[in-house]
Amino acid sequence: AQSVTQLGSHVSVSEGALVLLRCNYSSSVPPYLFWYVQYPNQGLQLLLKYTSAATLVKGINGFEAEFKKSETSFHLTKPSAHMSDAAEYFCAVSETGANNLFFGTGTRLTVIP
Amino acid sequence: SQTIHQWPATLVQPVGSPLSLECTVEGTSNPNLYWYRQAAGRGLQLLFYSVGIGQISSEVPQNLSASRPQDRQFILSSKKLLLSDSGFYLCAWSIRGLAGGSETQYFGPGTRLLVL
Repeated sequence: AQSVTQLGSHVSVSEGALVLLRCNYSSSVPPYLFWYVQYPNQGLQLLLKYTSAATLVKGINGFEAEFKKSETSFHLTKPSAHMSDAAEYFCAVSETGANNLFFGTGTRLTVIP
Repeated sequence: SQTIHQWPATLVQPVGSPLSLECTVEGTSNPNLYWYRQAAGRGLQLLFYSVGIGQISSEVPQNLSASRPQDRQFILSSKKLLLSDSGFYLCAWSIRGLAGGSETQYFGPGTRLLVL
């Protein structure tokens, strides 16, 4: 069975500081992994996707994530937080050929000026 | 380019009333379509998905139903709303999957439903 755990429902960082949002997954087969961002009262926007082509995935808005099989992790990072990064971030997992995405419970990122 | 629409954006309904939320996709054919619910402070729960007209898979037993009368139209319905149906409903689409792949899902703007 697939599942995703996002550690920390709320994360606060200062503007310009490193952003680290944690995601651990459980999957019985090699997974596909996603990070989505949701701004208030909006739908989800894809940040990046891991498809086994490269373990370090670069996404939009300066975000990147590294797939670590040994740690079953797919943490999202950004070197320098911007005020516009304040949003909720969701990690999701899917398996090859599957129709479903399994989402974590989300992490709300606050950026302090 | 592909776009996905949902309406209404916001809805306030009394308990026991019917519900109809609509989702349409433009710029693609034969998409997979999905309905998710996001309750306050919780993640996304997949409610239904469809791989074609009239083909609906339900992920959880509930007070809701879905229909796909046209290729790019997906409707979420209820005959009698419950308080617990309140939430943010998101529609998503993906390309009909290729063998061995897992296609990205693209989300609509959502409908916020408040049942009173």
